[in-house]
Amino acid sequence: GAVVSQHPSWVICKSGTSVKIECRSLDFQATTMFWYRQFPKQSLMLMATSNEGSKATYEQGVEKDKFLINHASLTLSTLTVTSAHPEDSSFYICSATQNRNSPLHFGNGTRLTVT
Amino acid sequence: AQKITQTQPGMFVQEKEAVTLDCTYDTSDPSYGLFWYKQPSSGEMIFLIYQGSYDQQNATEGRYSLNFQKARKSANLVISASQLGDSAMYFCAMSAMDSSYKLIFGSGTRLLVRP
Repeated sequence: GAVVSQHPSWVICKSGTSVKIECRSLDFQATTMFWYRQFPKQSLMLMATSNEGSKATYEQGVEKDKFLINHASLTLSTLTVTSAHPEDSSFYICSATQNRNSPLHFGNGTRLTVT
Repeated sequence: AQKITQTQPGMFVQEKEAVTLDCTYDTSDPSYGLFWYKQPSSGEMIFLIYQGSYDQQNATEGRYSLNFQKARKSANLVISASQLGDSAMYFCAMSAMDSSYKLIFGSGTRLLVRP
């Protein structure tokens, strides 16, 4: 089945630094990937839609300059949390789909802790 | 705007019994998809079952079935013969059948299977 790999699975960084999270579709091409954020005991909130070769579409309230998304190829999207602060600590999870008739497949998520 | 509602924050079920997890939705789109995902404590999102808005029959996948009642705008998940490994968070989600195919999630239901 379709596999989405996310790396790293967890990261601890100091306040003010930037962190890059990678999302790869391993056995299919994903023209569209999605980035979600999940706080403890809460649901997944869509942050942005990442489109290969074009700018990401951000959901209302998500700072595009803070959460930089790059979708350079059909198998890779990256999320960079710039100048991270403790309130950015969360579980970030990406997803990808092959086409409109296929379900979304999720990566295993990245737990970010900003100290 | 689309909205997904899961009114059961937590549910208990005895092992080997069936359980129904509720999900209602609201959308003005004529074409949409409904999904259920399982999230164990490890964090990954596991796709369980999908129902298209134009599907005439309720979707089934092994022990999972989706009780789709379009007029009531409900898409309840039925898990038959519960197993201890079914203990997890369960999220109902909806997508619009536009080009973005992004998912909007409900708040989730935590299911605990008792031995």
